[in-house]
Amino acid sequence: NAGVMQNPRHLVRRRGQEARLRCSPMKGHSHVYWYRQLPEEGLKFMVYLQKENIIDESGMPKERFSAEFPKEGPSILRIQQVVRGDSAAYFCASSRQGDTEAFFGQGTRLTVV
Amino acid sequence: KNEVEQSPQNLTAQEGEFITINCSYSVGISALHWLQQHPGGGIVSLFMLSSGKKKHGRLIATINIQEKHSSLHITASHPRDSAVYICALSMGGQGAQKLVFGQGTRLTINP
Repeated sequence: NAGVMQNPRHLVRRRGQEARLRCSPMKGHSHVYWYRQLPEEGLKFMVYLQKENIIDESGMPKERFSAEFPKEGPSILRIQQVVRGDSAAYFCASSRQGDTEAFFGQGTRLTVV
Repeated sequence: KNEVEQSPQNLTAQEGEFITINCSYSVGISALHWLQQHPGGGIVSLFMLSSGKKKHGRLIATINIQEKHSSLHITASHPRDSAVYICALSMGGQGAQKLVFGQGTRLTINP
């Protein structure tokens, strides 16, 4: 039973580099959600995607952050020109259409040095 | 005021004790989730509730929709239960997993 797969688990980037975080949803799931957990803070919603569509990006920072969920392949959260404040754990969750049950990945821990 | 508040923020207990973690919220919801996160680890969904009570092993979750309150109980606690427990709200509709999270309760069970 392959759950939600995120990679890499740990990512170190220098300031100004790009970070790409990948999320492969569970089989049969067409909805992906990204969340961010800043150090010593709670989880916050970032973006909700369905295949080839961004449905709700109300939690995404206005600049440098983007997300996609192509027809084939994993969902990608992309952070351009990373800064120290981007250091956090990024989690994705997936669900089926209309399903409210939460299935989370193991997270990607991004460290910006 | 946050839409969801958990108490206590930190809880330390001895192995075998009965544990209660509370979650109060102020908005209408379609479901409430209890999640578990071990240090440096992923997030595991423990329960999803829309009414009543659910039990899984030593874990019990209850929700009172009228009072907008939920509790997570752990019976016969064990050191391996040490983790952060997070209450999260689902508002339903499109994007049902656009969750709103509590700050979490850090539970430490000493042997």
